[in-house]
Amino acid sequence: EPEVTQTPSHQVTQMGQEVILRCVPISNHLYFYWYRQILGQKVEFLVSFYNNEISEKSEIFDDQFSVERPDGSNFTLKIRSTKLEDSAMYFCASSVFTVTDTQYFGPGTRLTVL
Amino acid sequence: RKEVEQDPGPFNVPEGATVAFNCTYSNSASQSFFWYRQDCRKEPKLLMSVYSSGNEDGRFTAQLNRASQYISLLIRDSKLSDSATYLCVVNGDDSSYKLIFGSGTRLLVRP
Repeated sequence: EPEVTQTPSHQVTQMGQEVILRCVPISNHLYFYWYRQILGQKVEFLVSFYNNEISEKSEIFDDQFSVERPDGSNFTLKIRSTKLEDSAMYFCASSVFTVTDTQYFGPGTRLTVL
Repeated sequence: RKEVEQDPGPFNVPEGATVAFNCTYSNSASQSFFWYRQDCRKEPKLLMSVYSSGNEDGRFTAQLNRASQYISLLIRDSKLSDSATYLCVVNGDDSSYKLIFGSGTRLLVRP
């Protein structure tokens, strides 16, 4: 069964450093997403991406965040200057197309900012 | 009012029990409704989509009441492996791909 994959599984970084989280969505999916979950809290939407453009973003997704699809398979989330409060689990997800389609989640990257 | 509200639990039940979870959502324009399951420190996994007519998948039954903006999940004959957090999830509105998650209801099934 096709899966969303994410690397690395755990990233430790110093405050102020840039990090790039990587995702490989399911191959025939057209919509891609990033969500985050701070420990003990609910899953929160960050951004959705379609046709090489951001289609929707949340208030959390400020100028420190960016997304990119650098090639036909990878989808990345960059945080330019990490803060302590960016420590969280970051989940990538993908869906086929329509609003009602299921979003399938990757295993997540645990980001720890020291 | 929270966008998606759930009782956090935990629900502690014996194997074989029937347990029901409820959820309410605030945006009447939401069009898609789901139950996801999340094990500790793992990704959310789709349990089932929820349709207006109600739907069943084995031991799991989901119901949607659009008028009351209420979603339910019933688990029959609970197994130890059902122990997890159950997330009620809706989309933002009829044009939004954003999923809005509830905080989850924790289920513990004991032998």
